[in-house]
Amino acid sequence: GENVEQHPSTLSVQEGDSAVIKCTYSDSASNYFPWYKQELGKRPQLIIDIRSNVGEKKDQRIAVTLNKTAKHFSLHITETQPEDSAVYFCAASHRDDKIIFGKGTRLHILP
Amino acid sequence: SAVISQKPSRDICQRGTSLTIQCQVDSQVTMMFWYRQQPGQSLTLIATANQGSEATYESGFVIDKFPISRPNLTFSTLTVSNMSPEDSSIYLCSVEGTSRGFGYTFGSGTRLTVV
Repeated sequence: GENVEQHPSTLSVQEGDSAVIKCTYSDSASNYFPWYKQELGKRPQLIIDIRSNVGEKKDQRIAVTLNKTAKHFSLHITETQPEDSAVYFCAASHRDDKIIFGKGTRLHILP
Repeated sequence: SAVISQKPSRDICQRGTSLTIQCQVDSQVTMMFWYRQQPGQSLTLIATANQGSEATYESGFVIDKFPISRPNLTFSTLTVSNMSPEDSSIYLCSVEGTSRGFGYTFGSGTRLTVV
């Protein structure tokens, strides 16, 4: 089955700087890669996703890149703000539609 | 986009008892997914529930412990049976469809504490 590795587990960046979270997946058949943000005590919220026919996708300060050959995908957050502090999960899914999550990255935005 | 109502939001249960969690979706969906999130951990898929067929369980999860019902295209239940303190966790259901027009959305979760 699919296995998703995520790193780092914890990341601290100065407000205004960029943050990058990286993930790898094991199943070459995976074709959908969402990213979720989870604030304390709340449900995970989808923030961006990418499909395997696209190499990069951007939405304001958030971007995701995908390297299918290497089975890597990454989340980039630019101009970080205090409200970006949360736990971020990458995930992968393939034809059976079930989503398998990475272990998460706790992002701290330092004032 | 799909809106999910999940209940109960939290419960404290005695070991050896069972708890049934309900998820109601405001639109018809083919698949519903049940996840467990232990404190400070990631989301682990328990099973996929399709209407009209047996749920498909992931490795490490069995039907006797986590029976699932899916009587129609908008509703599902997950039962946590014969509970022990190790079952203390947050349980979430998920379906395809979000306010962004793509991806999967989650219910608000059920925080279960077994004492």
